[in-house]
Amino acid sequence: GDSVTQMEGPVTLSEEAFLTINCTYTATGYPSLFWYVQYPGEGLQLLLKATKADDKGSNKGFEATYRKETTSFHLEKGSVQVSDSAVYFCALSDRYNFNKFYFGSGTKLNVKP
Amino acid sequence: GAVVSQHPSRVICKSGTSVKIECRSLDFQATTMFWYRQFPKQSLMLMATSNEGSKATYEQGVEKDKFLINHASLTLSTLTVTSAHPEDSSFYICSARDLGGPEAFFGQGTRLTVV
Repeated sequence: GDSVTQMEGPVTLSEEAFLTINCTYTATGYPSLFWYVQYPGEGLQLLLKATKADDKGSNKGFEATYRKETTSFHLEKGSVQVSDSAVYFCALSDRYNFNKFYFGSGTKLNVKP
Repeated sequence: GAVVSQHPSRVICKSGTSVKIECRSLDFQATTMFWYRQFPKQSLMLMATSNEGSKATYEQGVEKDKFLINHASLTLSTLTVTSAHPEDSSFYICSARDLGGPEAFFGQGTRLTVV
């Protein structure tokens, strides 16, 4: 079945460091891919998305490229800030089956000043 | 983006009572809604998926008589935790999808504490 695997955390970085959080997926059909962010005590917010192969999603300095050949959707940011400290979830949905929405286990990011 | 409102954000109840959590899509029609339970180490556990006007589909291991889900309209789904016990204390999150796009939008979550 469909699934999402992302790197375990926590990831601890200093401010202005480069961030990569790995995400790979297994899917049949036509998956769309997402990164969501969760700040403490809150629900999840959509950070970025990509709906087909080679699409790049970007938002707030974060980027991820839909790589069908490696079934990956790694999240990157060139220079993290303390305010980026949160939990990041990789997810996939199926374009034609609305009941399919899968999440990775989440990666906690701690950014230190 | 689309807005999903979840209410209440926090609730404390006594053991043995029931608690209802509401999830509303404010500016779109939610054809599918998902209910999750989040555990302390952040992982999201999908409890059930519901489509408007039909019975919810529960994940394996989730007691449907304990966690009652009603998706009565295209903008409202409710989760009722019946006869709550301290082990039901958790963070519950809903999300919703519409026909217009592939993503799901999330409510703010409800922190349930059963004492």
